[in-house]
Amino acid sequence: DQQVKQNSPSLSVQEGRISILNCDYTTSMFDYFLWYKKYPAEGPTFLISISSIKDKNEDGRFTVFLNKSAKHLSLHIVPSQPGDSAVYFCAASPHPGSYGKLTFGQGTILTVHP
Amino acid sequence: SAVISQKPSRDICQRGTSLTIQCQVDSQVTMMFWYRQQPGQSLTLIATANQGSEATYESGFVIDKFPISRPNLTFSTLTVSNMSPEDSSIYLCSVERNTEAFFGQGTRLTVV
Repeated sequence: DQQVKQNSPSLSVQEGRISILNCDYTTSMFDYFLWYKKYPAEGPTFLISISSIKDKNEDGRFTVFLNKSAKHLSLHIVPSQPGDSAVYFCAASPHPGSYGKLTFGQGTILTVHP
Repeated sequence: SAVISQKPSRDICQRGTSLTIQCQVDSQVTMMFWYRQQPGQSLTLIATANQGSEATYESGFVIDKFPISRPNLTFSTLTVSNMSPEDSSIYLCSVERNTEAFFGQGTRLTVV
């Protein structure tokens, strides 16, 4: 039973445009949500996070939106750059719990075309 | 941030053998985590390793198959025992610092 779901396996975007990656979760026990980026042959690297007490968090080109009633979050990348091409994972942490004990979605492959 | 080194970065092993993966962190951490990423799948938590106590395993993972050591606050090992082709995956160690989790580069294991 997949508790964190990324229903789009891939996304293709033109450079300079907005990339929107989506993530759904099934249980209210999750309290903290994170996005990771992963390049081949590397471990995931942290991008941005959001606590369940917020509905938006921004960091430069990256913004994460959280809709608790819909159990949905999204990552917006504006403007998208070719270097953003990677696999993006949504992850969730339980409450109370450890920020290292994460449940991950399946990942979305983002390709940004020049 | 945290600097995490994993060894080996990749290996090809015969079925029935065991492989031990090492994880070294640049500073002391309370908990270390081991994840598995099977081909085309998400990352799945195998176990949480605390120094001085037995690891805590997630549902579907057992100590006999994935024994873990945590001899000090900067080091841990994960052993994949009696390997079969189904164990072919990327294995990653992770540490928690502040409100983030940091990952090693992973060990790509192929069992033939």
